[in-house]
Parts: sequence; structure tokens; C-alpha cells
Amino acid sequence: GAGVSQSPSNKVTEKGKDVELRCDPISGHTALYWYRQSLGQGLEFLIYFQGNSAPDKSGLPSDRFSAERTGGSVSTLTIQRTQQEDSAVYLCASSIAGGPETQYFGPGTRLLVL
Amino acid sequence: GENVEQHPSTLSVQEGDSAVIKCTYSDSASNYFPWYKQELGKRPQLIIDIRSNVGEKKDQRIAVTLNKTAKHFSLHITETQPEDSAVYFCAANSAGGTSYGKLTFGQGTILTVHP
Repeated sequence: GAGVSQSPSNKVTEKGKDVELRCDPISGHTALYWYRQSLGQGLEFLIYFQGNSAPDKSGLPSDRFSAERTGGSVSTLTIQRTQQEDSAVYLCASSIAGGPETQYFGPGTRLLVL
Repeated sequence: GENVEQHPSTLSVQEGDSAVIKCTYSDSASNYFPWYKQELGKRPQLIIDIRSNVGEKKDQRIAVTLNKTAKHFSLHITETQPEDSAVYFCAANSAGGTSYGKLTFGQGTILTVHP
């Protein structure tokens, strides 16, 4: 079946602009995660959605970052007033349930802020 | 919160040798420990995982061991092949509450297997 998909695959923006990144999880997966991976670094947790529960936003680095998950499926990560330090690969993952289950990653969105 | 340390940051081996990557974690309540492989420009992919009710798990040339008392776990790759060259990440989950699926990742190990 289809895996996790993300769009766009690449995004170049100017400092101060807002960007929206989209994630389509695997159908039927109730848990969705966003991570950020800076060049040569590990994966930094951003936010976690599980079913209808309130999301765990503990990893969002500032109030410029927000995310929504509509209808328990597609998620959008929004970065307002982008800064150069926001440049990174943003990875989305989904798992079949919210417990410690295998997380399947999307291909990521490579964001470059000029 | 959970803290995961991974060593070494780079590892170079000859084809056919074994490779070992080690991770430590801080939250004694963590109970799920996956390992991901990420090839250059690709997405991370799960290669093996272990839960806290077992001490070792094997899958062909790959094995993972877990020491709950010492709070460390290791990835072992035997008979390495050039296609094993990649970045490997360990992770541990956050136990308790509603975020027990959340993973904290190590910083990664760049494994290079020389033919």
C-alpha cells in the first residue's frame, strides 16, 4: 500500500515568509509525528498527534511553529516568519496506534530559508 | 524528559567485519527501543526493534541487545557489506502519560563499510 507522503519535497523561501508543509499518513494510522533533521544531525521531535487526544506540542521550538491534523488524517506543519535557522529537513511519520509501534517515515520536505 | 546518547559518531569497518553501535537512555520507564537506518538522501527505515521484556533480538545479520539495569542497548551487525553503509539512529520511547509513542533519537552513527 501507499506509504507516508509529504509535500512539497523541496521548499525555498525568503526569511520572514510563512510556509506550510503537508503530510499524508498511511491510511488507518492513528498516530502522526513531525520531526526536524538539521544537516548531519539526528531527528528532533516536534509534535505528536494521537487520535482525538490533544497533541503533544512539547517539541515545538517556538510559537512560530504550529501544526494541525484535520479529520484524523492529513497534517499541516506551519512555520510563520521563517528564520534561516529553520532550514532543515522536516520529516513526518505515522504509526498504526499511539503506543510504542513502528513509525513509518515520509520522504521529508527540505526547507531552505534564504 | 528522555535523553539518548549514541556512540560512536562514526564507524569504519572492512567488509566482513562486525560493527557495534551503543546507546544509553535516561528514562528507566522507557520500554521500546527501535533502530533506524538512513541512507543518504533517503527516509529513515526501521531495521530492528526491541521491547523491554526481552534482552536480545536477532534478524539475520542484525541483532540488538538490551540491558535495562544499565539502561543501554546496542546494535550488532555481523558480516558487514558495503550496502550496510548508512547513518544508523537508535531511539527510546517516552513511557507513561499519553505520549508513550514519542521517540527520542540518538545523534546517529555514520557507518562506512570498505570493500
